[in-house]
Amino acid sequence: NAGVTQTPKFQVLKTGQSMTLQCAQDMNHNSMYWYRQDPGMGLRLIYYSASEGTTDKGEVPNGYNVSRLNKREFSLRLESAAPSQTSVYFCASSEWQGRQPQHFGDGTRLSIL
Amino acid sequence: GENVEQHPSTLSVQEGDSAVIKCTYSDSASNYFPWYKQELGKRPQLIIDIRSNVGEKKDQRIAVTLNKTAKHFSLHITETQPEDSAVYFCAASIDSRLAFGKGNQVVVIP
Repeated sequence: NAGVTQTPKFQVLKTGQSMTLQCAQDMNHNSMYWYRQDPGMGLRLIYYSASEGTTDKGEVPNGYNVSRLNKREFSLRLESAAPSQTSVYFCASSEWQGRQPQHFGDGTRLSIL
Repeated sequence: GENVEQHPSTLSVQEGDSAVIKCTYSDSASNYFPWYKQELGKRPQLIIDIRSNVGEKKDQRIAVTLNKTAKHFSLHITETQPEDSAVYFCAASIDSRLAFGKGNQVVVIP
């Protein structure tokens, strides 16, 4: 099993560009999450999906949109990237319905110039 | 909202010694307390968790203790090994909303 797979692993964008981060899990988990990790800030929840077709805002949702395409896939979109969104983004999943991630992907390192 | 603090920010231990990391939380209604380990450049990994109806939980060399009265919980690592070197994050959950601490750097000196 691959677990949680994120693409891409690295990306550099210019301010104002848009992009979508992809995430897929093969563990048949119900819940999926997007976090960002900044130095000295720990992990902060951007969006959460308890099940296919449902999404909820986390602590820092501004500037992001998400889509729970099906049970396996949960994508994160930056419509107009800003330097403040430079971060490492982690997708995660859990089998239970709650904001308690069990398995994380390898992360996407995103730099916005 | 819930506020989670971790102490100390950095901890150095000799290989074979024990390491203890303590976290405090603010909301007495929090009922779930996981710990995550993150090696440099890697993903966070859930290593152990405890619920509020339990005072202690062990898994091989790691254990977590919870003191609900004082609102703190601790991670104990015994017989530390170089592969235990990592950043450890604690978290506390209330109504399924998980708040993370900022992490502790643990360095195991061979």
